[in-house]
Amino acid sequence: DAMVIQNPRYQVTQFGKPVTLSCSQTLNHNVMYWYQQKSSQAPKLLFHYYDKDFNNEADTPDNFQSRRPNTSFCFLDIRSPGLGDAAMYLCATSRGPGQGNGYEQYFGPGTRLTVT
Amino acid sequence: AQSVAQPEDQVNVAEGNPLTVKCTYSVSGNPYLFWYVQYPNRGLQFLLKYITGDNLVKGSYGFEAEFNKSQTSFHLKKPSALVSDSALYFCAVRDDGDSNYQLIWGAGTKLIIKP
Repeated sequence: DAMVIQNPRYQVTQFGKPVTLSCSQTLNHNVMYWYQQKSSQAPKLLFHYYDKDFNNEADTPDNFQSRRPNTSFCFLDIRSPGLGDAAMYLCATSRGPGQGNGYEQYFGPGTRLTVT
Repeated sequence: AQSVAQPEDQVNVAEGNPLTVKCTYSVSGNPYLFWYVQYPNRGLQFLLKYITGDNLVKGSYGFEAEFNKSQTSFHLKKPSALVSDSALYFCAVRDDGDSNYQLIWGAGTKLIIKP
């Protein structure tokens, strides 16, 4: 089945130690998103890619970076995690122009990040 | 400004009874509306959407939602609730005039179905 995969599902890192979360998709969608979700709150968009075009939200801290080396993969790098960065990180995809008018986003299972 | 309101933090329903989870929205153009469900420690699952056409849309797991343009609402409904429907539900909207791909999310409603 076509899907969005996130690895690892659980990640523990130390305060200030860089960490990378990964996302892959078999849906061949042009658009990929990274969200941060805390304590059953609404997901907060960090950034998204339309193909290789990167779009950063204005309030996303510089501590968060992203890479999309190809259509299938996207990475979230947290350069110096703080205690406040402990959260669920969700990757999602959606169709872009030329791929039909689906519009809905498909989410991976998430990576729960703990900072010690 | 675009916004989504889910006025109830929590909804409690007895198993077998009908359920409604409310959502109202505000956009400047035409809305694209979505419902998602989230089970504990899981990602969000797409339930249904309204883009255009029939105001009543049917989705996964027996859920449906009715688009009401005059009331700017998109309430989620199910005729007979199951205990397994207990989860966190999010409503989201996108303005059809937006060139980006962002969704505006509601705060979420926790649905509890009691046996």
